[in-house]
Amino acid sequence: KAGVTQTPRYLIKTRGQQVTLSCSPISGHRSVSWYQQTPGQGLQFLFEYFSETQRNKGNFPGRFSGRQFSNSRSEMNVSTLELGDSALYLCASSLASPMNTEAFFGQGTRLTVV
Amino acid sequence: KQEVTQIPAALSVPEGENLVLNCSFTDSAIYNLQWFRQDPGKGLTSLLLIQSSQREQTSGRLNASLDKSSGRSTLYIAASQPGDSATYLCALGGSGGSNYKLTFGKGTLLTVNP
Repeated sequence: KAGVTQTPRYLIKTRGQQVTLSCSPISGHRSVSWYQQTPGQGLQFLFEYFSETQRNKGNFPGRFSGRQFSNSRSEMNVSTLELGDSALYLCASSLASPMNTEAFFGQGTRLTVV
Repeated sequence: KQEVTQIPAALSVPEGENLVLNCSFTDSAIYNLQWFRQDPGKGLTSLLLIQSSQREQTSGRLNASLDKSSGRSTLYIAASQPGDSATYLCALGGSGGSNYKLTFGKGTLLTVNP
């Protein structure tokens, strides 16, 4: 079966712009989580959605937002981009919750802010 | 707050060697522990999932153990191969009262030399 699909794979944006990243989970999975990965901080949790509801949010500024659609696809948006937002953004899908079911990750979106 | 430590940060071994990667955590109130591998610039590939009630899981040349009371997990790789070279990450599900998220260690960079 198809895995987790993230689009686009690579993005270059200018400081101050906004960006939208997309994640399509594995068919039948209803939980989608987002993580930011940087060399210095490692993997940091952004937010998690289940059935269009955000159940948890990490410690990121309000410029980072997300949503989930009825088909479980999810998008995350970053407004007013800063140089420090350059990172690999990873999406994970789980059947019900990453707490007690296996999490599967996509290939990520590499965002570069210049 | 859950703290996850992976030791060593980097490991270089000759092909064929058996090796152990370590993961320690401060809060034993977890739902599960998952081991991933990450190739450079890529997403995470799930290797093994251990539920909190389990002590170990095996898949091929990989064996992962979990000791909640001591806050430790180990990933054992038998007969290592150059294709095993990657960063290995452990992640705790639902730890430290933080629901619906995985808390990651910084990873161990493994290099297997032919």
